[in-house]
Amino acid sequence: DADVTQTPRNRITKTGKRIMLECSQTKGHDRMYWYRQDPGLGLRLIYYSFDVKDINKGEISDGYSVSRQAQAKFSLSLESAIPNQTALYFCATSGTGTPLGTGELFFGEGSRLTVL
Amino acid sequence: GENVEQHPSTLSVQEGDSAVIKCTYSDSASNYFPWYKQELGKRPQLIIDIRSNVGEKKDQRIAVTLNKTAKHFSLHITETQPEDSAVYFCAASIDQGGKLIFGQGTELSVKP
Repeated sequence: DADVTQTPRNRITKTGKRIMLECSQTKGHDRMYWYRQDPGLGLRLIYYSFDVKDINKGEISDGYSVSRQAQAKFSLSLESAIPNQTALYFCATSGTGTPLGTGELFFGEGSRLTVL
Repeated sequence: GENVEQHPSTLSVQEGDSAVIKCTYSDSASNYFPWYKQELGKRPQLIIDIRSNVGEKKDQRIAVTLNKTAKHFSLHITETQPEDSAVYFCAASIDQGGKLIFGQGTELSVKP
């Protein structure tokens, strides 16, 4: 089945370390997103990309950067991790192409990051 | 930018009762309103959505209503079952294929 795959699934790191979370998809979708989930705060958009040459900031981009290496790959980096970046991170994709657009987001399984 | 508020944050009902979750949005240009369900330890998945040209949509035991004038929309679950226990998120978008802004989530617990 076409899917959205995130690596690593779990990571523990120390303050100040550089961390990269990777996302790849086999759905053939153009649009890719990174969200962060914290209890009581829902899913907050960090960055999104509508095609390989398009990168946009979301609601909470400070402290994060992204790279769209190919249509199928979208990585999230924390240049210098801090404890309040401890969270569950989700990559998601969506497709276009129908007259109405599907709108549906397809999420990866999530990457749990702990910054000590 | 868009802001979505969701209430309540937790909801406990008896099996067979109805559950209602409400959301408000700020951007009057928003035209797409999905609801996602996240079971414990799983990824969020779309359960129903509604577009701004429709006032209500039903799918078996779940329904969504939209009031564009008041800028709010609601999820209704009837005849709740234990497997409905999950976190539910509402979201809004000004582009049907574009970025979604989510509410804070509602943890629904259905007691047998």
